[in-house]
Amino acid sequence: EPEVTQTPSHQVTQMGQEVILRCVPISNHLYFYWYRQILGQKVEFLVSFYNNEISEKSEIFDDQFSVERPDGSNFTLKIRSTKLEDSAMYFCASSGGTGELFFGEGSRLTVL
Amino acid sequence: GENVEQHPSTLSVQEGDSAVIKCTYSDSASNYFPWYKQELGKGPQLIIDIRSNVGEKKDQRIAVTLNKTAKHFSLHITETQPEDSAVYFCAASIGAGGYSTLTFGKGTMLLVSP
Repeated sequence: EPEVTQTPSHQVTQMGQEVILRCVPISNHLYFYWYRQILGQKVEFLVSFYNNEISEKSEIFDDQFSVERPDGSNFTLKIRSTKLEDSAMYFCASSGGTGELFFGEGSRLTVL
Repeated sequence: GENVEQHPSTLSVQEGDSAVIKCTYSDSASNYFPWYKQELGKGPQLIIDIRSNVGEKKDQRIAVTLNKTAKHFSLHITETQPEDSAVYFCAASIGAGGYSTLTFGKGTMLLVSP
């Protein structure tokens, strides 16, 4: 069964450092998303991406965040200068023509 | 924006009992309501969904009902098993074509005791 894959599974970084989280969406999907989940809290929308541009973003997705689809398979989330409050699980998701979102296993980011 | 409330936050049942989780949403334009199951250390997994043109949908032991007038929807799990233990999230979105941005509820931790 096709799945969304994410790397790394866990990253520890120092405050102020740049982090790149990588995702390989399901191959025939057209819509890509990043969500995050702070420990014990609900899953929150960050950004959606379609046709090589951002289609929607939340207020969480400020100037320190960026997304990119550098080639035909990868979808990345970059956090430019990490803060303690960026510590969370980051989930990539993709959807095809039905609107159903399929999530990856997540990348846990710990900012020290 | 959309706001989704979910209750209860935890639910403990005995194996074989039924479990019901309820959600309400605020935006009457929302038209897509999925339910996700999240096991420890894993990503949310879609288990069932319903669209606003349908009042009820069933898939084996799980069913979802939608009341558009009251703006609430519920997940029903019958004959619960220990492997049903997980966190369940409801979500709502205004889906257009293949695109939907989900607003999630806070989750319900379901514990099924043997």
